[in-house]
Amino acid sequence: DAKTTQPPSMDCAEGRAANLPCNHSTISGNEYVYWYRQIHSQGPQYIIHGLKNNETNEMASLIITEDRKSSTLILPHATLRDTAVYYCIVRAGNQAGTALIFGKGTTLSVSS
Amino acid sequence: DAGVIQSPRHEVTEMGQEVTLRCKLISGHNSLFWYRQTMMRGLELLIYFNNNVPIDDSGMPEDRFSAKMPNASFSTLKIQPSEPRDSAVYFCASSGGTKNIQYFGAGTRLSVL
Repeated sequence: DAKTTQPPSMDCAEGRAANLPCNHSTISGNEYVYWYRQIHSQGPQYIIHGLKNNETNEMASLIITEDRKSSTLILPHATLRDTAVYYCIVRAGNQAGTALIFGKGTTLSVSS
Repeated sequence: DAGVIQSPRHEVTEMGQEVTLRCKLISGHNSLFWYRQTMMRGLELLIYFNNNVPIDDSGMPEDRFSAKMPNASFSTLKIQPSEPRDSAVYFCASSGGTKNIQYFGAGTRLSVL
């Protein structure tokens, strides 16, 4: 079973920030938080990951609470192309070849 | 790099036929994952390999499914005989390097009639 809890759906207006929450209250000390998204009919796409510090890349920002029991993925200026299912996944370390266990994710709908 | 390459993109076959799905890993990656996606069950891990060795095949539905890595850059997933309930989108992913991020292919949409 997935170790994360996400809202099933969210809406966002184009140009606004999309803040996608994720609860992972049973996360272990060596587990990272990963975010992937899946645009309709495509393969999942890596977005960002982190251990305990906040992270930012060209796609998004990841904010992890100090107790690491929850996190938020931020898309700063959502566009229509960001409409997708977003998956929050916890996975042990950066060890070679550990699998991703996908839950149901959050369906983000961005509208104009 | 062209990314993870899967073939065919679409496959339509009749019940009882053998189906072979193919996956080419990203150059330099040493881990390979096969997933299956259906509306009912979402994205499920079927099997994964590290350095050509199968590590966990507990997600393989039954003996009709088999996966191999004949070399470090290529994998096949075979279903024999196929059944209508095998209809799904099959994804492979590869990973490697220090960050160990998994990159997915575009998937193979399988329809078994």
